Amino acid sequence: DAGITQSPRHKVTETGTPVTLRCHQTENHRYMYWYRQDPGHGLRLIHYSYGVKDTDKGEVSDGYSVSRSKTEDFLLTLESATSSQTSVYFCAISDNRQGVNYGYTFGSGTRLTVV
Amino acid sequence: DQQVKQNSPSLSVQEGRISILNCDYTNSMFDYFLWYKKYPAEGPTFLISISSIKDKNEDGRFTVFLNKSAKHLSLHIVPSQPGDSAVYFCAASSGNQFYFGTGTSLTVIP
Repeated sequence: DAGITQSPRHKVTETGTPVTLRCHQTENHRYMYWYRQDPGHGLRLIHYSYGVKDTDKGEVSDGYSVSRSKTEDFLLTLESATSSQTSVYFCAISDNRQGVNYGYTFGSGTRLTVV
Repeated sequence: DQQVKQNSPSLSVQEGRISILNCDYTNSMFDYFLWYKKYPAEGPTFLISISSIKDKNEDGRFTVFLNKSAKHLSLHIVPSQPGDSAVYFCAASSGNQFYFGTGTSLTVIP
């Protein structure tokens, strides 16, 4: 979707190195999310943001941090990558209207391999 | 603990027949439900939704049914087409966050 882009699309990194994934949106949506997709687990929420500098943890937040310094960018950082963080990472945005979340628009994903 | 479950990892259907994908949830506070479709190397895309005040929503070949008493959601695709072959995720929400099932891989055989 043209309104949300993720970078990089693919990355291979070594265990113990820091990694930052970027999500950029042009929709001016308030909410942004980071999910990881793994076989047998579906999509699991890592962190989300409900505004600039406002973030909260999801169900699998250990080992990850996020930052949102402006509306359009949401960064996911693996402080010290581990092999268990090998996954496909999806960013999503949503536009809550009148307190109702009508669903997400997802980016194309980042395939991260930690060797 | 998984709040949204899709117990069938895969499903194969002949072209032209009906595909039925199932989803169960445990949280009675969920009030909005979605189905997403995902092709390889792409992000999930929205397919159809239903709110808890309804028991059915239809959009072309796609119909979603909600049984609140059973905490069960299903997606019907009629008729199934080869282009429908993808992974389907159901998702449920009671606020700002959606919880996703593990996905069902649908293969439509020409």
